[in-house]
Amino acid sequence: GDSVTQMEGPVTLSEEACLTINCTYTATGYPSLFWYVQYPGEGLQLLLKATKADDKGSNKGFEATYRKETTSFHLEKGSVQVSDSAVYFCALSPSGGYQKVTFGTGTKLQVIP
Amino acid sequence: EPEVTQTPSHQVTQMGQEVILRCVPISNHLYFYWYRQILGQKVEFLVSFYNNEISEKSEIFDDQFSVERPDGSNFTLKIRSTKLEDSAMYFCASSPFQETQYFGPGTRLLVL
Repeated sequence: GDSVTQMEGPVTLSEEACLTINCTYTATGYPSLFWYVQYPGEGLQLLLKATKADDKGSNKGFEATYRKETTSFHLEKGSVQVSDSAVYFCALSPSGGYQKVTFGTGTKLQVIP
Repeated sequence: EPEVTQTPSHQVTQMGQEVILRCVPISNHLYFYWYRQILGQKVEFLVSFYNNEISEKSEIFDDQFSVERPDGSNFTLKIRSTKLEDSAMYFCASSPFQETQYFGPGTRLLVL
């Protein structure tokens, strides 16, 4: 079945540092890929998505590129802020996104001033 | 921007009691879902619902769970006889036709 593997956390960075959270997936066909973010005490928010190979999703300074050859969708940000502290979930859904979403285990990011 | 809403935000119940978790999906969405997240673990799919019937369910979604769309706006998850291991955050989600799912803020259920 479909699965998502993402790097273990927690990740602690200083403000303005570069962030990369690795994510790889296993799926048949051409899934849509997502990053969701969960701020402390809140629900899941869609951060960005990509629906086909070589697509780059971006939002709030975060980026991720759909790499089919390496089955990866790594999340990157050039300069993190304290307000980025949250848990980040990589996820996938069969083509279209309306079928069930399979989540990774989540990576907790803590940004310190 | 339209949002998925869920009530209550927190619920505490005794083992063996029935609970109903409520969700109001985004109004023009056609697909509805429930997921759960046990504390510290990954978010897990429970069930999807389309055209007034279950379209897919996971092995977690056994006979003690049921879903219903009682009117044109609400989508509910019922747990008939709660167990300690049902304690989790329950997320409702909705999506337009063949599009991304949008999640609600969740209901934190604690079974004592």
